[in-house]
Formats: sequence, C-alpha cells, structure tokens
Amino acid sequence: GAGVSQSPSNKVTEKGKDVELRCDPISGHTALYWYRQSLGQGLEFLIYFQGNSAPDKSGLPSDRFSAERTGGSVSTLTIQRTQQEDSAVYLCASSLAHLGQQGAFFGQGTRLTVV
Amino acid sequence: GQQVMQIPQYQHVQEGEDFTTYCNSSTTLSNIQWYKQRPGGHPVFLIQLVKSGEVKKQKRLTFQFGEAKKNSSLHITATQTTDVGTYFCAAYYQTGANNLFFGTGTRLTVIP
Repeated sequence: GAGVSQSPSNKVTEKGKDVELRCDPISGHTALYWYRQSLGQGLEFLIYFQGNSAPDKSGLPSDRFSAERTGGSVSTLTIQRTQQEDSAVYLCASSLAHLGQQGAFFGQGTRLTVV
Repeated sequence: GQQVMQIPQYQHVQEGEDFTTYCNSSTTLSNIQWYKQRPGGHPVFLIQLVKSGEVKKQKRLTFQFGEAKKNSSLHITATQTTDVGTYFCAAYYQTGANNLFFGTGTRLTVIP
C-alpha cells in the first residue's frame, strides 16, 4: 500500500478481554516498530521486528503483551486480559532498513479504550 | 536503559518568533532523526542526521547534530501557525538494541 495501515482505528473493549491490533507496513519495508502513546505523552517503545524476527522485545510492558510478524509483512500486537492502564494509542511504524538508515513511516494508530 | 532527554517540554511563542528544541543523550548516538506530530495526528519523519557536527536546513527549519554526537537541536525561524505540534527527536545508539528511542517531545504552540 501507499502507507502504513493500522486496524482497527478505534477499539473499545471491556476489562479482561483480549484484543488484537493489526499493522500492514509499507511494501518492502523490513523493519517494523510498535509504540504506545498515552494522551499528551511521548512514544513508549514496545517491540521491533527485522523481517519476521524480533531482536528487541524489551519494551513489552508485561507477559500479557505479545506480537508477531509473518511473511515479513503484516504484524499483529495482542493484548490479553486487558486492563484500564492499557488504554492508549498504539502506533506502528515501518522503515526500509534497520539501524536508522531510513526514517520511519507511521500509521494513523489504533486508539484503544478499556472500560 | 537508553534515555533521550528533550527540552523544553512546552513552548509558547508569538507568531514570527523563533523556536528551538534540544535533545540530549548521555551516550554517543549512531544517528538522530526528527519527527513532527500535529495535534490528533501521527509522527511524521522530518530529517535524519548522521555525521558529527552536521547541519541541515529545510526552509525555516535548521537541524544540528553535536560534534560529540550526543546532542541535537531543531531551530525554527519566524514561526507560523502551521508549525504547531509536538517535535520529537529519535535516536539510534551505536551499541545495544536496534530500536528507535524517542525523546519526550516539545509541544509548540504558536499564538497568532
């Protein structure tokens, strides 16, 4: 596609339910990043993929969070047993290569609200 | 962990005034990128700096990378209302994880 696509754009879920967020990066981009942004705050790094592998999972807040990437393309971020503190905008970004060789292109984000 | 400090957190300027935001790291950076996020939007890539002491310009925006590759600045000359938003620096480190660490951001308000 022309840009990074994320779905859904908005998600309201009940506390304790599982949610799955999807990111479709720019075609050919090997690096993919997930960030979380709370209202008025900065970007909190969650996980980074190079191809299908995730060399850095250090940002995942707890074992309720997991992510995968298949075929070097689409990635899904899964949050199990959601809590109210998980409410935030989840941003996905992709870039042509890793190690900062290119700028990252962001999707519009998924706004997650846990009630 | 790696930390990138950015100051100021907020800046209000009158239209036409200049604006500068600073990004600082305690360890040497591989390179640094700058992003702009409009209210309600997503971060948009502006520029990347790689070389020690590098200076790049985009119209009214001037980006600088320190000689020691530990700090960077973004300067906007004669701000306009279209400059409103949050400016983030994002850093890659020479060692460690290959992820992009974002600074805390500077939220710019331009008063017409």
